Amino acid sequence: KAGVTQTPRYLIKTRGQQVTLSCSPISGHRSVSWYQQTPGQGLQFLFEYFSETQRNKGNFPGRFSGRQFSNSRSEMNVSTLELGDSALYLCASSERPTGGGYTFGSGTRLTVV
Amino acid sequence: DQQVKQNSPSLSVQEGRISILNCDYTNSMFDYFLWYKKYPAEGPTFLISISSIKDKNEDGRFTVFLNKSAKHLSLHIVPSQPGDSAVYFCAASGVQGAQKLVFGQGTRLTINP
Repeated sequence: KAGVTQTPRYLIKTRGQQVTLSCSPISGHRSVSWYQQTPGQGLQFLFEYFSETQRNKGNFPGRFSGRQFSNSRSEMNVSTLELGDSALYLCASSERPTGGGYTFGSGTRLTVV
Repeated sequence: DQQVKQNSPSLSVQEGRISILNCDYTNSMFDYFLWYKKYPAEGPTFLISISSIKDKNEDGRFTVFLNKSAKHLSLHIVPSQPGDSAVYFCAASGVQGAQKLVFGQGTRLTINP
């Protein structure tokens, strides 16, 4: 079956703009989590959704938001982009909310200039 | 507050020898630990996990050891192969994996021929 699909793969935005990233989980997976990866910081947890409800949220400012649709697809939005938002954004899906068993997508590389 | 730490940003090992990657954690509520492997331009892939009720888990060439009193875990790869060259992330969660994953910063492993 198809893996976790993230679009777009690469994105370049200007400071102050906003961006929307998309994640399509594996068919049948209802839990979607988002992570930000920056050099030296590892993967920082952004948020987790299950059945369209946000279950967990990481320590990120309110400029970072997300949602999940009834078909389990998820989007995350970053408004008023800052240079420090440049990172690889990873989405992971699992059948249900668990710490293990996640399958990650290849990520969206966001560059803010 | 970095609850999961991988203090070695990089490690270089000769092909055929043992690779040992280390990880420390501070949160005593963590009871489920995982290792992920990441190649460039790909998402992390799950390698091996261990529950806090065990102190060792093996899967082929990969063995994870958990020392709860020291809040330390390690991943052993024997024998190391060139295809093992990647970034390795240690992750932890609580309540037997039912909470969000907290990742370390990653260790870049290079296997030299």
